[in-house]
Amino acid sequence: SQTIHQWPATLVQPVGSPLSLECTVEGTSNPNLYWYRQAAGRGLQLLFYSVGIGQISSEVPQNLSASRPQDRQFILSSKKLLLSDSGFYLCAWSRDRASGANVLTFGAGSRLTVL
Amino acid sequence: SQQGEEDPQALSIQEGENATMNCSYKTSINNLQWYRQNSGRGLVHLILIRSNEREKHSGRLRVTLDTSKKSSSLLITASRAADTASYFCAPPLHSGNTPLVFGKGTRLSVIA
Repeated sequence: SQTIHQWPATLVQPVGSPLSLECTVEGTSNPNLYWYRQAAGRGLQLLFYSVGIGQISSEVPQNLSASRPQDRQFILSSKKLLLSDSGFYLCAWSRDRASGANVLTFGAGSRLTVL
Repeated sequence: SQQGEEDPQALSIQEGENATMNCSYKTSINNLQWYRQNSGRGLVHLILIRSNEREKHSGRLRVTLDTSKKSSSLLITASRAADTASYFCAPPLHSGNTPLVFGKGTRLSVIA
């Protein structure tokens, strides 16, 4: 069966510090991978998605970046955090489009507080 | 751009009552999904309805889709306290299946 791991679960970072959130998927190959952010009162915002290694699409221009160094690994990064980066970050995966199904499976989330 | 917008933003009902949540979206879709989120957790897929379907059932869930009005509804029958959660509709951002976009959700409280 497939599982998705996301870490760290919680972190508190000062403004201007770097960020690295990691997400890995087990039990499948060539998944579509996604990063979403949920900020208070703002709904669930799509940040990045990837359909393959090295293929990253950004939906919201900001100081965040994403990388996919391996097939089942998706990393969200920032060089300098802003207060507005605080939120609940969710990683998700789905089967590739050729399969016809696009049901998302989400990780448990990473809660980031920038002070 | 595409987005799912849920209505109402919050809903409070008594256990045993039915809960109806509505969703509107902006551009044509070939399917729409509903997800549930318990507080502080990741989202969980509930049901997918395709554009050629008008209605779909799964247990106590009933989803309808009206592509002419670009709207969908989620009905939870005989609600339970455990149904307390936020519910999101998710249309695809682009034509095709991926990625999905979500709105702010409907926060459902079921009071025992």
